[in-house]
Amino acid sequence: KAGVTQTPRYLIKTRGQQVTLSCSPISGHRSVSWYQQTPGQGLQFLFEYFSETQRNKGNFPGRFSGRQFSNSRSEMNVSTLELGDSALYLCASSRGRLNTEAFFGQGTRLTVV
Amino acid sequence: AQSVTQPDIHITVSEGASLELRCNYSYGATPYLFWYVQSPGQGLQLLLKYFSGDTLVQGIKGFEAEFKRSQSSFNLRKPSVHWSDAAEYFCAVSGPNAGKSTFGDGTTLTVKP
Repeated sequence: KAGVTQTPRYLIKTRGQQVTLSCSPISGHRSVSWYQQTPGQGLQFLFEYFSETQRNKGNFPGRFSGRQFSNSRSEMNVSTLELGDSALYLCASSRGRLNTEAFFGQGTRLTVV
Repeated sequence: AQSVTQPDIHITVSEGASLELRCNYSYGATPYLFWYVQSPGQGLQLLLKYFSGDTLVQGIKGFEAEFKRSQSSFNLRKPSVHWSDAAEYFCAVSGPNAGKSTFGDGTTLTVKP
């Protein structure tokens, strides 16, 4: 069974640009969550999508957005990139039902220059 | 608000020695608890989880953790550490939906030969 797949693995962008990251969950999983990991702030929850609807949202500015497609694949978008957006972005998938755990992808390393 | 505290930023143990990583949580309802491990530049791998029932849970790679409600703790243990266990370890708490988890700041484990 394939795990959670995130693409691309590495990205370099310039301040002011926008970026889209992709996450394909484990087959049968309907929930996709996104986290930002930085040395200073640690792992912070961005948002969770379940059946194409945003179910939970963290405390990030509106520049961070996401969506989920009918096949449960998810994308997150960051507009008007800032240097502080440089981070490892992790995607996690779960069945979305009670008492189920989340499994993480390898992450996308975003560097903003 | 939920939170997780991992008091030890860095721990060094000798190969073959026992290990205990501490985790304290704050959560207003029944907590769902997890331990993850992360190697440099990689995603998070789930070591074990606690949902309910037996307070001593077994995980992969020979790890176990004990849930102590009275102490709001969920400490991770391993009787004999291997050099390959060197990594960063994260404790996390969520409600019944693991799609939105709160993570501790992590503990970096170094293993001496």
